[in-house]
Amino acid sequence: GIQVEQSPPDLILQEGANSTLRCNFSDSVNNLQWFHQNPWGQLINLFYIPSGTKQNGRLSATTVATERYSLLYISSSQTTDSGVYFCAVGGGGSNYKLTFGKGTLLTVNP
Amino acid sequence: SQTIHQWPATLVQPVGSPLSLECTVEGTSNPNLYWYRQAAGRGLQLLFYSVGIGQISSEVPQNLSASRPQDRQFILSSKKLLLSDSGFYLCACGQGVTKLFFGSGTQLSVL
Repeated sequence: GIQVEQSPPDLILQEGANSTLRCNFSDSVNNLQWFHQNPWGQLINLFYIPSGTKQNGRLSATTVATERYSLLYISSSQTTDSGVYFCAVGGGGSNYKLTFGKGTLLTVNP
Repeated sequence: SQTIHQWPATLVQPVGSPLSLECTVEGTSNPNLYWYRQAAGRGLQLLFYSVGIGQISSEVPQNLSASRPQDRQFILSSKKLLLSDSGFYLCACGQGVTKLFFGSGTQLSVL
């Protein structure tokens, strides 16, 4: 199956800093999503982005499918951005089944 | 937009006891439904998925089973729980190849 690697595994920031999270995948995909898991365990869908660039407020994401990576940008980080960020991918005939990376644990300090 | 109801939020069960976790979805019809498990250490593992009533696909052989008796109801079961079944269980819902949405999860501790 598709392998998904996320980096860095852990990231500590001061409030107001910017950050870039990376997701590499081992095969062609036609489904890629980014999620944020808050400290209470709730998973929130941030982006559905199999290719191209999208922006939502302080968050933006870019997927370069031909080079098999996606980036999540967080600008002017806030303490509420803390949590685990997951990249999940699906491809081929099973593109509705997502394989998750191990996530990036982001801690934003005040 | 869809709403996913998942309960209970926490559950403590003895080894060897049965399990039934229920997930119901509102605001959509004929969704794809999923059960994921998240062990300590963060990764999410797909356990079961369903594309329709009575259609269940298992991703990992294990002590668990799933059923979909109605279009918007997905049930995770076990006849006899093992210690290794402990974890955070998440129900998810999607329509084809679109955004996947998760319920709030059940933290299961098997003692």
